[in-house]
Amino acid sequence: DADVTQTPRNRITKTGKRIMLECSQTKGHDRMYWYRQDPGLGLQLIYYSFDVKDINKGEISDGYSVSRQAQAKFSLSLESAIPNQTALYFCATSDWTSGGAGEQFFGPGTRLTVL
Amino acid sequence: DQQVKQNSPSLSVQEGRISILNCDYTNSMFDYFLWYKKYPAEGPTFLISISSIKDKNEDGRFTVFLNKSAKHLSLHIVPSQPGDSAVYFCAARLNYGGSQGNLIFGKGTKLSVKP
Repeated sequence: DADVTQTPRNRITKTGKRIMLECSQTKGHDRMYWYRQDPGLGLQLIYYSFDVKDINKGEISDGYSVSRQAQAKFSLSLESAIPNQTALYFCATSDWTSGGAGEQFFGPGTRLTVL
Repeated sequence: DQQVKQNSPSLSVQEGRISILNCDYTNSMFDYFLWYKKYPAEGPTFLISISSIKDKNEDGRFTVFLNKSAKHLSLHIVPSQPGDSAVYFCAARLNYGGSQGNLIFGKGTKLSVKP
């Protein structure tokens, strides 16, 4: 079973709709992240959470909100979707306490299309 | 302003030859550098990392070199195989402030290894 799962994997919605993307992890990691990938722009950080009570904005948080329901769950919401939010969305986790490079582990992604 | 730059959007290499992917950075406060590999329809997967106090790290066919004075790192793949065809992201880890441990990603380089 995958360590980091995302649902849904694909979603098509209309402008103005509220959308929630969900992420779950079984790695026991404390940190979780939401990224967005647009063609040619790499991965941009939307929000990150160092633990259940610590949530922070990333570089492109406008138009998004998040909820860390438990250590293992981190959801991303688009309150009123707009077409330029069409992108690939990735959730990631990392274990800050283990030392080393603190590499992040990514989910398989959600392809969101806003019409 | 981009803190992590991958100036080559694509690279094509013959099977069995060396692939060299380059990355430049501007922030001296990065303490680790990481390379990720991404296949279509999958999330990025961690490949190899290097501490800022090292100049080389090797793992099988993959070697990362770090030149701190030039703020430049490179990933060498020897020998290249068709299965290495993917998008490669360079990432740098912040070691200060409230976002300590977060990664800054480059835009990626698409590697094509031809049989």
